[in-house]
Amino acid sequence: QKEVEQDPGPLSVPEGAIVSLNCTYSNSAFQYFMWYRQYSRKGPELLMYTYSSGNKEDGRFTAQVDKSSKYISLFIRDSQPSDSATYLCAQGTGANNLFFGTGTRLTVIP
Amino acid sequence: GAGVSQSPSNKVTEKGKDVELRCDPISGHTALYWYRQSLGQGLEFLIYFQGNSAPDKSGLPSDRFSAERTGGSVSTLTIQRTQQEDSAVYLCASNPTGGTNVLTFGAGSRLTVL
Repeated sequence: QKEVEQDPGPLSVPEGAIVSLNCTYSNSAFQYFMWYRQYSRKGPELLMYTYSSGNKEDGRFTAQVDKSSKYISLFIRDSQPSDSATYLCAQGTGANNLFFGTGTRLTVIP
Repeated sequence: GAGVSQSPSNKVTEKGKDVELRCDPISGHTALYWYRQSLGQGLEFLIYFQGNSAPDKSGLPSDRFSAERTGGSVSTLTIQRTQQEDSAVYLCASNPTGGTNVLTFGAGSRLTVL
């Protein structure tokens, strides 16, 4: 079993929709949770970073960790075509010990 | 530099040849990481450098893979006797000390082994 499982999609939504991206994880000892965004032919860039459980909001993006169900979620409000990318979740104890999901490819249709 | 630079951006090679991939991290970043991204596999950790030392090389898939870092800066990932299953995007990342979790990635080197 992989440490982090992620539905690869692809996921297509109309502009303005609310997007929900989800991952599940298996190791409860890992306290750091991250979302990276990766545009085509580019490296991943950090989007959101949370420690332990709860919500974190940054503009149109909300990251949520539910430890009881071992779910990591990313919500995108008022989605834009520029949000079209692959979104990678990650969990770990530190930069030396991060486990990434396979990524979900999102397309926001104008 | 302003970001993490990797070269070449694309490399096509024949099975059995050796390849070298280069990473130039952000200036002053002491920690450097190599990851591999294969289709449908996500990011796979290969090796971590702190300065010129590699305290964690547990992700290197075989002894055909090696990496070094010189001057606490540039790193080279070498794959000897390449195989088709080595085809992937090789990503380099750095962070200031290794004590934080935030990685800044380069755009990657896309390796295709024919």
